[in-house]
Amino acid sequence: TQLLEQSPQFLSIQEGENLTVYCNSSSVFSSLQWYRQEPGEGPVLLVTVVTGGEVKKLKRLTFQFGDARKDSSLHITAAQPGDTGLYLCAVSGNTPLVFGKGTRLSVIA
Amino acid sequence: NAGVTQTPKFQVLKTGQSMTLQCAQDMNHEYMSWYRQDPGMGLRLIHYSVGAGITDQGEVPNGYNVSRSTTEDFPLRLLSAAPSQTSVYFCASSYSTGTNQKAFFGQGTRLTVV
Repeated sequence: TQLLEQSPQFLSIQEGENLTVYCNSSSVFSSLQWYRQEPGEGPVLLVTVVTGGEVKKLKRLTFQFGDARKDSSLHITAAQPGDTGLYLCAVSGNTPLVFGKGTRLSVIA
Repeated sequence: NAGVTQTPKFQVLKTGQSMTLQCAQDMNHEYMSWYRQDPGMGLRLIHYSVGAGITDQGEVPNGYNVSRSTTEDFPLRLLSAAPSQTSVYFCASSYSTGTNQKAFFGQGTRLTVV
C-alpha cells in the first residue's frame, strides 16, 4: 500500500490553463513537502506545509494542506511551458523522505 | 556552490560486474540517502545514513551496500549487477528542522545493466 497517493498520474494541458494536482493519504502527518523534478535533474524542494488548513503561495503556485493533515493540493494558475515536470509530494519526520509516485505535468505552448 | 555531487552521470555495466556510485556533499548535512527512480514507481529508498558510521536499510536494499566513513561521502556499491538494477539513482543530503527534513538532491546517475 502506497503511503502517499498522487493524482492524476499524468496531465497534459495548454499554456494558460489552470490545474490542480493532489496528494492523499490515510495517515496524519506533521508536515508535507512538494518537490518539482525537471527532466535529467534531481527533485528540488518547492514548499513545506506544516499546519492543517495552511495555504502557501509561490508565484503562480498555491499549496494547501488539508485541515486533517492527511492530504494536500497544488494549484497552478495560468500554466507555462516552464512548469513542465514531475511534481512529487513527500513526508518525513526523523526518517528519510518517503515520496508519492508523482504527477507528470506537460504544458504545451 | 557544489551542493550534492554524484558521479558518474551515466554508466553501462554487464551482468555480474560490480561498481560504486559516488556521492559527496559540502553542506555538512547529517542525513544522506540513496534512492532509485523507475518509471511509474516514484523514488524508492535504498539505504540511508543519519551520520558518519551509521547506516540503515530502506525499502529496496537488496543487492546494494553503503558505508559512511565521513560526513561528506556516501558511496553506493552494487555487488553483482543485475538487469533489474537498471534505473536512475539519486543521492540526497538533508538536515532536520525538527518537524521535517529539507533535502537536496544530486543530478542522478543513469545506470544500465545489460
